[in-house]
Amino acid sequence: NAGVTQTPKFRVLKTGQSMTLLCAQDMNHEYMYWYRQDPGMGLRLIHYSVGEGTTAKGEVPDGYNVSRLKKQNFLLGLESAAPSQTSVYFCASLKSASGSYEQYFGPGTRLTVT
Amino acid sequence: EDKVVQSPLSLVVHEGDTVTLNCSYEVTNFRSLLWYKQEKKAPTFLFMLTSSGIEKKSGRLSSILDKKELFSILNITATQTGDSAIYLCAVLSGGYQKVTFGTGTKLQVIP
Repeated sequence: NAGVTQTPKFRVLKTGQSMTLLCAQDMNHEYMYWYRQDPGMGLRLIHYSVGEGTTAKGEVPDGYNVSRLKKQNFLLGLESAAPSQTSVYFCASLKSASGSYEQYFGPGTRLTVT
Repeated sequence: EDKVVQSPLSLVVHEGDTVTLNCSYEVTNFRSLLWYKQEKKAPTFLFMLTSSGIEKKSGRLSSILDKKELFSILNITATQTGDSAIYLCAVLSGGYQKVTFGTGTKLQVIP
């Protein structure tokens, strides 16, 4: 049981390049989330998903797109990277059962855009 | 817009002190409040609170929720250097289980 995994762990992009971050979970959770964390700040929600094929915007969705084609995977795409997108990106999934909730996080992806 | 505010932003205490961290929120369709500890990696889950007035405890950590006044506190007694971390508060809301985080409280415990 690997929990939540993210690939890659590190990436350096040039301005204007595109990339996709992959998040995978093996816990059969319906809900998945992408956050970014900048120095001195908490986690800001980018997009989230309530199930296969369904996504919703969070607080800071601009410049990002997501897809949830399979329940276990949640992809975050940057179409044209900008230096402002330099951050640590965390993926999470939510265990939801009988009114009890617990969020599990991946190890993070450190992205630098030059 | 959903909002979660934590205070203080940072705190330095000596080992053995007791600290209280605050979290207030304004969200639509509140479901639950979550506390996390973050060291130099991903956040780890501490507590989930859904009902007012029921204290959750885990060792030296405890937390309580007030749904009328829209806040929660996290207490840490007899602090140790291993408690040094960022403590994050998050609120789960809406039918789509949106999870919104506060900016966190950075706690430093010095010997």
